[in-house]
This record gives sequence, structure tokens and C-alpha cells, in this order.
Amino acid sequence: DAKTTQPNSMESNEEEPVHLPCNHSTISGTDYIHWYRQLPSQGPEYVIHGLTSNVNNRMASLAIAEDRKSSTLILHRATLRDAAVYYCILRDATSTASKLTFGTGTRLQVML
Amino acid sequence: NAGVTQTPKFRVLKTGQSMTLLCAQDMNHEYMYWYRQDPGMGLRLIHYSVGEGTTAKGEVPDGYNVSRLKKQNFLLGLESAAPSQTSVYFCASSLGTEAFFGQGTRLTVV
Repeated sequence: DAKTTQPNSMESNEEEPVHLPCNHSTISGTDYIHWYRQLPSQGPEYVIHGLTSNVNNRMASLAIAEDRKSSTLILHRATLRDAAVYYCILRDATSTASKLTFGTGTRLQVML
Repeated sequence: NAGVTQTPKFRVLKTGQSMTLLCAQDMNHEYMYWYRQDPGMGLRLIHYSVGEGTTAKGEVPDGYNVSRLKKQNFLLGLESAAPSQTSVYFCASSLGTEAFFGQGTRLTVV
């Protein structure tokens, strides 16, 4: 499976935008870029995913580099409830059962 | 709509005891998964299933067995628990794009 590299931790101020980077230089043409987050003491929850084009939903935006070797998850206005571990995951569209391989993610701290 | 429900939420086992963790989903998903998460680490896939009656090994299957007799249920069994199996266990289900996770089962083996 192609791997992703994320910073271990990041800090943000409340009400400000947050840009969470992810490098995936060995991404293949059939890999989708998925983001999940895990709030304290909870299971992971889906945030967003994309293939080539930038994507927006009610939770976040996903900006994908033109060469697809990196991507950025954008939280437009961070709140205290966004403090979580954010995982960038490559999912091979051709793989059996759409398995997800988690790394250690980025721990986001949101400061008042 | 409950989503993915895991039973129990907490359990303490003695070394050598057996137990079964139950995962139930009400979204008619084909795919189901069992993960474990150790402190400071990401989730690791134990076993998964692509449909009723099918199971397959994931990244860390040793010491665990699974069964998927009904589409909505995925059972994870520990036949002889070991301290190394102390972990938080998460179940998930999916149709192929977005995965939905349960709240986890915190298992301690003493």
C-alpha cells in the first residue's frame, strides 16, 4: 500500500483556518485520498475524500496537488470540537473490501 | 438509526480466558472490519469480511477468530486471551467509500 506522511502534531487558534498537510509521493492512479478524524475516546469518523479534484463538504475542504503527491485538509474555522487526531489514508479503489490502513496521524490542538 | 454498535464497551479478562466481541450494523453494509488500537498508534486491521459467510485476515490476525453468520453482525473471538491483546477494539462497516466506526471496546487482559 502507498504510504502517507503527516506531521505528528499541529496547533491552531479557535475560529482560525487550519491547513493539515499530507504527503503521498508514491500514490498510484487508483488511490483515493481519504481523511478521517478521531475525537478523544471515540472511533474514527469520515471527513472527506477525493481523487484528483478539490472537494468541499460541510466539514472541510480537500485540496489535492496537481501531481497528486500531496494534499491538504482545510478546516475553515477551527473550534474546540475539532481537536482530534486526523488521518490521511490512501484507499486503492481496486483493492478487496476497500480496506483502510491507518498511520499515526496528526494530533490537532485548538487553543482558545 | 444506530449505525455501528459494539458490545461490550469495557471488559477485563484474565490470561487464558476467552470472550467474544459483537459488532452490529443496521446500514445493510457488505463490508465489515475489526481493528485494534494501541496507545499512541493508529488502528491496525485484524480481520475483515466482504459479505455474509466470508472472512479474511488483516494485518494482525494472530490470536483472533471471526465469524459473519449474518450480514449485520461481525463477531471477534479471543480463544485464550493474552496481556498483549490489551487494546481498544473498533469495528467498522462500509459499502466501499465511507467507513462507519463503532465507539470501541476497551479490553484489558491481566
